[in-house]
Amino acid sequence: EPEVTQTPSHQVTQMGQEVILRCVPISNHLYFYWYRQILGQKVEFLVSFYNNEISEKSEIFDDQFSVERPDGSNFTLKIRSTKLEDSAMYFCASSDFGDNEQFFGPGTRLTVL
Amino acid sequence: DQQVKQNSPSLSVQEGRISILNCDYTNSMFDYFLWYKKYPAEGPTFLISISSIKDKNEDGRFTVFLNKSAKHLSLHIVPSQPGDSAVYFCAASVVSGGSNYKLTFGKGTLLTVNP
Repeated sequence: EPEVTQTPSHQVTQMGQEVILRCVPISNHLYFYWYRQILGQKVEFLVSFYNNEISEKSEIFDDQFSVERPDGSNFTLKIRSTKLEDSAMYFCASSDFGDNEQFFGPGTRLTVL
Repeated sequence: DQQVKQNSPSLSVQEGRISILNCDYTNSMFDYFLWYKKYPAEGPTFLISISSIKDKNEDGRFTVFLNKSAKHLSLHIVPSQPGDSAVYFCAASVVSGGSNYKLTFGKGTLLTVNP
């Protein structure tokens, strides 16, 4: 069964450093998303991506964040200068059509020290 | 801004009995609702969904009911099994006329099914 994969599973970084979280969505999917879950809180939408551009971003997704689909299979989330409050689980998701269910990857746990 | 609310943080049921998980929403624009199950250290796994044009959708042991007038949905699991023990998230989105389809999640309900 096809699945969304994410690497790394755990990333530890120093405050102010850049991190890139990687995702490989399901191959025939067209809609891509990043969500995050801070410990003890709900899963929050960050950004959606379709047709090689951002379709919507939340207020969390400020200028420090960017997304890219560099090669037709990977989907990346970059945080330019990490802050302590960026520590969270980051989930990538994809769907074949926008109004169908989204399939989630296992997540990357980001720890900012 | 709690547009999707799951007011019960936890629920404990006996194996073989019915589990009923509840979810309320405030945004009347939501027209597509989903339930996800999540185990620790894993991503959410899609379980079942329902469009606002329906009031019930069934898939095996899982049934989702939607009451639009009350802005309420529920997930029924019957019979419950110990392997169902997980956190269950309710999520909602706007799909009609939309171009985004982002999911808005509730806080989740931890279901424990006791053998």
